[in-house]
Amino acid sequence: GQNIDQPTEMTATEGAIVQINCTYQTSGFNGLFWYQQHAGEAPTFLSYNVLDGLEEKGRFSSFLSRSKGYSYLLLKELQMKDSASYLCAVRDQTGANNLFFGTGTRLTVIP
Amino acid sequence: NAGVMQNPRHLVRRRGQEARLRCSPMKGHSHVYWYRQLPEEGLKFMVYLQKENIIDESGMPKERFSAEFPKEGPSILRIQQVVRGDSAAYFCASSPRARATKQETQYFGPGTRLLVL
Repeated sequence: GQNIDQPTEMTATEGAIVQINCTYQTSGFNGLFWYQQHAGEAPTFLSYNVLDGLEEKGRFSSFLSRSKGYSYLLLKELQMKDSASYLCAVRDQTGANNLFFGTGTRLTVIP
Repeated sequence: NAGVMQNPRHLVRRRGQEARLRCSPMKGHSHVYWYRQLPEEGLKFMVYLQKENIIDESGMPKERFSAEFPKEGPSILRIQQVVRGDSAAYFCASSPRARATKQETQYFGPGTRLLVL
């Protein structure tokens, strides 16, 4: 089976740094994705990791450790507009390209 | 380049009616995925289609649900005899190829919010 865990909610202050963790146990692994989803809107792609290490893209970075089944999304210089749900998703290895999502972490940025 | 299009954005049906949800993938994308998101839950994979083929429907309920992606026109997710438990947001995503790399990830449409009365 597939099991993807992330905290349900987090709160952080504008201008600060926040790290959102994701752990996974899946029957196969072929990449981990992070998406941002504002309430009532579509998930939008943030990052993709398939090899161990850190991928940096502006204020957002994502880290992967395959041996630990662990990833995190790091958001720097938080802005109010970063208040959203952050979805961790793992693609399995069976060739169908399906994504298995965690329940998402709802981040609230406060002034 | 237009993104993934879904319509309708909101759909209200009474129990027992049929719901038809449409998805037009991004230009140049030939792979379509349907996901369901229940309130306060994560996205759950339903079905993966290419043109005229269902590749993986392991997430589809065995009854009342069907999906197609014809040679011409949008992908359709069809729910027959809807029940209240079908109320959810249904998202469609598309990708150019199955083996997603950084450039070939799944891009989501705005979703159809189905409410069954």
